[in-house]
Amino acid sequence: DSGVTQTPKHLITATGQRVTLRCSPRSGDLSVYWYQQSLDQGLQFLIQYYNGEERAKGNILERFSAQQFPDLHSELNLSSLELGDSALYFCASSVWDSLGNTIYFGEGSWLTVV
Amino acid sequence: QQPVQSPQAVILREGEDAVINCSSSKALYSVHWYRQKHGEAPVFLMILLKGGEQKGHEKISASFNEKKQQSSLYLTASQLSYSGTYFCGTEGNRDDKIIFGKGTRLHILP
Repeated sequence: DSGVTQTPKHLITATGQRVTLRCSPRSGDLSVYWYQQSLDQGLQFLIQYYNGEERAKGNILERFSAQQFPDLHSELNLSSLELGDSALYFCASSVWDSLGNTIYFGEGSWLTVV
Repeated sequence: QQPVQSPQAVILREGEDAVINCSSSKALYSVHWYRQKHGEAPVFLMILLKGGEQKGHEKISASFNEKKQQSSLYLTASQLSYSGTYFCGTEGNRDDKIIFGKGTRLHILP
């Protein structure tokens, strides 16, 4: 258990709908990352937040948005869903420790768009 | 600036060795290595910071050549449990976003 909690674990929704994925980082971690992993694909970086502010953006579609709240949990909002948005969405949090910027992944949220 | 991993896939027999390479076109601050089992979260293996170092973790070790912007992951005397997809992630600067390569699938046969 990495300490990063993601909900829901699975969801199935129809095209055109909107969903929200939630992430609670490890206690004390200020950075939150969102990654998308499609079937047999690598980890595509979407966005990073640090202490409530957007730090970096990757290949995140305009239909997607995210935010990090004062309590440091984060939400990823996916709207106008398309079949191609079906993927495993990972949240990760990180902390600088003696090893470096170690990031820990949650178990992921499986999104199926039908 | 996604790092490039090679090979894309490896099939080994238990006890054999493997090397997975990761290269970047830009200067790197650090390289991260993760292993992912199918349908599970990636699991942290190690981080290498710039300075050209080598680290070990059980029978898994890695090197980082800062000048060449390359890292290699070494798996010796592979075990069945080593099967999975290995990802390298690179960080251009401290606290920069971490970009992962497409992964290297490793399958260990008994």
